[in-house]
Amino acid sequence: GQQLNQSPQSMFIQEGEDVSMNCTSSSIFNTWLWYKQDPGEGPVLLIALYKAGELTSNGRLTAQFGITRKDSFLNISASIPSDVGIYFCAGVDQTGANNLFFGTGTRLTVIP
Amino acid sequence: ETGVTQSPTHLIKTRGQQVTLRCSSQSGHNTVSWYQQALGQGPQFIFQYYREEENGRGNFPPRFSGLQFPNYSSELNVNALELDDSALYLCASSQRQGTDTQYFGPGTRLTVL
Repeated sequence: GQQLNQSPQSMFIQEGEDVSMNCTSSSIFNTWLWYKQDPGEGPVLLIALYKAGELTSNGRLTAQFGITRKDSFLNISASIPSDVGIYFCAGVDQTGANNLFFGTGTRLTVIP
Repeated sequence: ETGVTQSPTHLIKTRGQQVTLRCSSQSGHNTVSWYQQALGQGPQFIFQYYREEENGRGNFPPRFSGLQFPNYSSELNVNALELDDSALYLCASSQRQGTDTQYFGPGTRLTVL
């Protein structure tokens, strides 16, 4: 089955720093999504990408859909304490029920 | 407009028992998907329900089953619980079949002893 690997697995940064994380897949996806999960909560959708090469922003977040359709990255600029959480990439399986294949997650800690 | 809700929030069962988890979809959403999230991992797709029928299934055994009701709420049933079934079970609803915009509930934490 599809495997999505995220790196880094975890990161500790100072408040105000920029953050970059990426996601690679063994399979091609036509839609990539980025989610954030806080403790005790379900994942919340941050950004959706629908076209290879697409660069999309949502406030301080910017994500890109890789040209090969097998990777994506997420950048967070000027990090703040509430950015703490686990970030997941997800590819959408459009051959069936549009279910999501999630990555392994990147745990972000922001030090004030 | 209410979001996706799940019950119970926490549950403890013993090996071999059966469990039922419940999910109410977001208002106006007719499709419900269930995911299992083991500790330290990303969610894994179990199955999806659309108009009260199973509409896709991940790599989970038949002892994982579900239902969707006319009001689009859903249940996940797991029989013959195993220790590895301990996980956070997430429900996600979407406005229609075939859309990738899924809204997740807070999950039910199941512990199997």
